[in-house]
Amino acid sequence: GAVVSQHPSRVICKSGTSVKIECRSLDFQATTMFWYRQFPKKSLMLMATSNEGSKATYEQGVEKDKFLINHASLTLSTLTVTSAHPEDSSFYICSAREGDGQMPNYGYTFGSGTRLTVV
Amino acid sequence: GQNIDQPTEMTATEGAIVQINCTYQTSGFNGLFWYQQHAGEAPTFLSYNVLDGLEEKGRFSSFLSRSKGYSYLLLKELQMKDSASYLCAVGDSNYQLIWGAGTKLIIKP
Repeated sequence: GAVVSQHPSRVICKSGTSVKIECRSLDFQATTMFWYRQFPKKSLMLMATSNEGSKATYEQGVEKDKFLINHASLTLSTLTVTSAHPEDSSFYICSAREGDGQMPNYGYTFGSGTRLTVV
Repeated sequence: GQNIDQPTEMTATEGAIVQINCTYQTSGFNGLFWYQQHAGEAPTFLSYNVLDGLEEKGRFSSFLSRSKGYSYLLLKELQMKDSASYLCAVGDSNYQLIWGAGTKLIIKP
C-alpha cells in the first residue's frame, strides 16, 4: 500500500532556531500534501495544503512566514518552522493524497508524525 | 458552518462490542472516513463510506446514513490493543477532510 515517510520523528530545538520537517511519498506520486498540527488530546488541525509546483494554501490563522511549506516535487514536501518558540511545540503530521483528488476513496496516507519540542 | 460530533471518551470491556457514533454537518459530502490513532502516532486509515449502508472489514464495521448525517464505527471482539482514539472525518465539497475531535476508547480487562 501507499507509504508516506516523515522525518524526523522527534526534534528538540532552541528558541529562535528553525526546524525543517520532510514528508516523502515512497511509492506513489502525491499531487497534494497536507500539513497538520495536533495538540495533546485534540484532533488534527489543518495548517496548509500544498500542491506540487505551486504555493501552499494556508488555513486562516496560520502564519505563512512562520510555517514555510515547499512542495518541489511529486514525492517531497517540507515544512520549515522558522524562529521557533516554545508555543510551537506540538505534533506535526503530514498527509499525502494520490491522484487528482477526485477519488478520495484512496484514503489519505499519513506520515508517522514529528514531535517538535522548542526549549 | 461545518461540524462533526463524536463522543469524547468511551469505555468497554475486552471481548465485548462497542459502537462509536459520529454526526456531521458539512458543506458538501464526498465520503466519510474513520481513522485509528494511538497516542503519539499518526492516524491509521480504517474505513471509507460514500454510500449508505454497512461496510464490514474483519472485526471493524462502519455504517453511513447520508440522509441523517450519521455514521458509526462498530468494533467487535475488543482487544486491549484497540485502546486508541478513533477519528471521524468527512470529505467536503473540495475533497478536504473535516475532522472530528476524536473518541478516546478505553478497553478494560
